[in-house]
Amino acid sequence: SYVLTQPPSVSVAPGQTARITCVGDDIGYKRVHWYQQKPGQSPVLVIYDNSDRPSGIPERFSGSNSGDTATLTVSRVEAGDEADYYCQVLHSRSDDVVFGGGTKLTVL
Amino acid sequence: EVQLVESGGGLVKPGGSLTLSCAASKFRFSAYNMNWVRQAPGSGLEWVSSISGISNYIYYADSVKGRFTVSRDNARNSLLLQMNTLRADDTAVYYCVRSNNWYFDVWGRGTLVSVSS
Repeated sequence: SYVLTQPPSVSVAPGQTARITCVGDDIGYKRVHWYQQKPGQSPVLVIYDNSDRPSGIPERFSGSNSGDTATLTVSRVEAGDEADYYCQVLHSRSDDVVFGGGTKLTVL
Repeated sequence: EVQLVESGGGLVKPGGSLTLSCAASKFRFSAYNMNWVRQAPGSGLEWVSSISGISNYIYYADSVKGRFTVSRDNARNSLLLQMNTLRADDTAVYYCVRSNNWYFDVWGRGTLVSVSS
């Protein structure tokens, strides 16, 4: 089965840039999607198709994908960005949807 | 506003059965693939099942294959998940999720399933 690996936690001071990685074999050939989940809430799509933002998501959120690593970048981090973030792909060989283990973003 | 509302969660004994429902509103339900995603307490997201708009494609995670059955009623804008032979590790919040080209763009608030004796 296909595995996506994320760091358990990332910490950043307000106003700085947070980068959350998602590592998978040849992930650069896949479409990667990212979700934000705040405590007690349902997940929210923040990036789809590697780098596209749904309407209503701030431009501070961006994504990239190449080689074995996809990255979610949150610029000018705010306290309200504190949440768990998950990457997700479709593993087309088995038609399985795969989520990364999640990364807790802490704003110091 | 596009909305998904789950129901049917609760406490069930190991080996028991439960059926979850999801009511969709404010979008053309039959045009979208629909999914179930679960989250065990304190854990990450786990995909459970997907069904295409006209039910011609259905997929399951290995962890539920043979025990769970997904179905939909497009006339009633509803999605179902029949869960049999439930185990303790099926305990989770179950989310009904709309997908758009395999990304999940609309999530319900979830319904909690607890499997315990």
